[in-house]
Amino acid sequence: SYELTQPPSMSVSPGQTASITCSGDKLGDKYASWYHQKPGQSPVLVIYQDTKRPSGIPERFSGSNSGNTATLTISGTQVLDEADYYCQAWDSSTGWVFGGGTKLTVL
Amino acid sequence: EVQLVESGGGLVQPGGSLRLSCAASGFTFSDYCMSWVRQAPGEGLEWVAYIKQDGSEKYYVDSVKGRFTISRDNAKNSLYLQMNSLTAGDTAVYYCARHGDKTEDYFDSWGQGNLVTVSS
Repeated sequence: SYELTQPPSMSVSPGQTASITCSGDKLGDKYASWYHQKPGQSPVLVIYQDTKRPSGIPERFSGSNSGNTATLTISGTQVLDEADYYCQAWDSSTGWVFGGGTKLTVL
Repeated sequence: EVQLVESGGGLVQPGGSLRLSCAASGFTFSDYCMSWVRQAPGEGLEWVAYIKQDGSEKYYVDSVKGRFTISRDNAKNSLYLQMNSLTAGDTAVYYCARHGDKTEDYFDSWGQGNLVTVSS
């Protein structure tokens, strides 16, 4: 079955850039999406199809995907960006797959 | 505004059954593929089941095949998940999720979630 791997946690200072990685076999050949989830809330789509931002998502969120790694970049990270972040891709054998999630701490 | 409202969760004994519902509004429900995604307490997200716009195609994660059934009623703008032979491993918050416009590769809207607890 297809798997996506994320670092369990990372921290960043306010105003700095956070780069969250997601790795999977030939992930660059698939579309990657990213979601954030704050405690007690539902996930929210922040990046889809590698680089696209849904309406209402700030420009500081951007994405890339190449080779075996997709990356979510948050420029000028704000305290309100503190959340769990999940990558996701679709695999023809496994279906819709999520990474294990990365807890982003902003301090 | 897109709204997805789940209901039907609760406490059930191992081996029991439960039916989740998701009421959709704010968009043309019959135009979108839908899925159920779950999240065990303190854990990550896991896709559970998918259904095409007209119900003609359905897919499941291996761990629920033969036990769970996804269905929809486009006339009632509703999505369902029938869960049978429940085990403690099925304990989770279950989210109803809409796939993207004219594409299935991501989820662009999520419900508030409904907790299912399997315990004796």
